[in-house]
Order: sequence, then C-alpha cells, then structure tokens
Amino acid sequence: AQKVTQAQTEISVVEKEDVTLDCVYETRDTTYYLFWYKQPPSGELVFLIRRNSFDEQNEISGRYSWNFQKSTSSFNFTITASQVVDSAVYFCALSEEASDSWGKLQFGAGTQVVVTP
Amino acid sequence: DADVTQTPRNRITKTGKRIMLECSQTKGHDRMYWYRQDPGLGLRLIYYSFDVKDINKGEISDGYSVSRQAQAKFSLSLESAIPNQTALYFCATSDFGGAEAFFGQGTRLTVV
Repeated sequence: AQKVTQAQTEISVVEKEDVTLDCVYETRDTTYYLFWYKQPPSGELVFLIRRNSFDEQNEISGRYSWNFQKSTSSFNFTITASQVVDSAVYFCALSEEASDSWGKLQFGAGTQVVVTP
Repeated sequence: DADVTQTPRNRITKTGKRIMLECSQTKGHDRMYWYRQDPGLGLRLIYYSFDVKDINKGEISDGYSVSRQAQAKFSLSLESAIPNQTALYFCATSDFGGAEAFFGQGTRLTVV
C-alpha cells in the first residue's frame, strides 16, 4: 500500500503566485521522519527539509514553509511568491523507525511544479 | 568532490547485455541504497545494505543484483537488461540513525 501520497500530479502557476504541495502519509510507527526533496530538470535530488514525528512546529525557510499536522497525517509544503527557478518535481518521503526500516525512504509519486513568467 | 558518486552518469545499452552501475561514498556511512525512479512513480527501493555483510531486497529487486565490495562501495547489476529497466537510478547512503539520506547525482540508463 502506498505510504506516501502526493495527490497532485502537476501544478501550474504564474510567477509570484503561491503554491502548496500536499503530502499525506501512513505509518503505525510513533517515531518517523518526513522529508521533502526537489528535483530540478537537471535530475539531481536536492534535500529541502527533514522533520521528525515529535516536532510539529511549522517551519519557514525563506520562501519555503512546511505545515506538519500529525492529526491529519499531512506534511504540506508551500512556496510563497513562486519563481521560475522553482519549476521542478517535488517529492515527499517517509522513513520509519521499524527495525529494518530506519534510513529506507518511501517516496510519494512526486508533484511537478511549473512556474511560468 | 561529491559525497556520493555514481558512475556512469548516462548509459545506453542493448537488450540482453549485462551492465553494472557503481556507487562510492565518502560519508563513512554503513547504510547504502539503490533506488529507481520512473515517471509518475517516484523513487522505489531496489536493494539496500546496512553493512558490508548485509544485503537486502527492496520493493523491486527482480532483474537486479548488488555487490557491497567495501563500506564505501555498492554496485548494482542488471544481469540481462530489458527495455522496461530504462529509468533514472539513484544511490544513497545514510547513517545508523537514518535521519538523512545523501543521494548521488543519478545514472540515466536507457535499454534499447
């Protein structure tokens, strides 16, 4: 069963608009990590953020912000005032504490963000 | 130099050929992983190794094998490549705590 769901396949926005990417996860562990990665057209994976299951504080880094809500098993990502350079595929991922799972990442299908000038 | 290095970066091979993708790391991590990325499916785990003597199958291991030659090296082999193995392959490492995975730059493999 899919443990990380990114329901949005593609989102298209005009530059300076805000865009929110949804991520819903499923786990029975009480200890886990959630991640967001960016994959620009060049193909490499760029680490954006890690959040552990005990830290529900929202985080802001420049134009990026993350909203972690354990009650709804969601870890959503917002890009404020989008720029063309934000055009990429964004992945949400989960790492669980279960005995042989620590360090193994389970990825969502990814959301393609297209920002047009 | 990159912490996790994959070679080759791009490869075109013919159906039925054996091919090896190599990964080396300077992070000093025990845990290494091979993932495959297909459009619309995200990354899926092929094999992983928690130390030199440990090899485990991931979600999609059929048609692949691996070798952990040293703590720093983890190779992925396609014994007889087929076109549906055309994909972007990533190697990754993590420490025991698993709090962060470090990815290589990816190998784009095309099987014709």
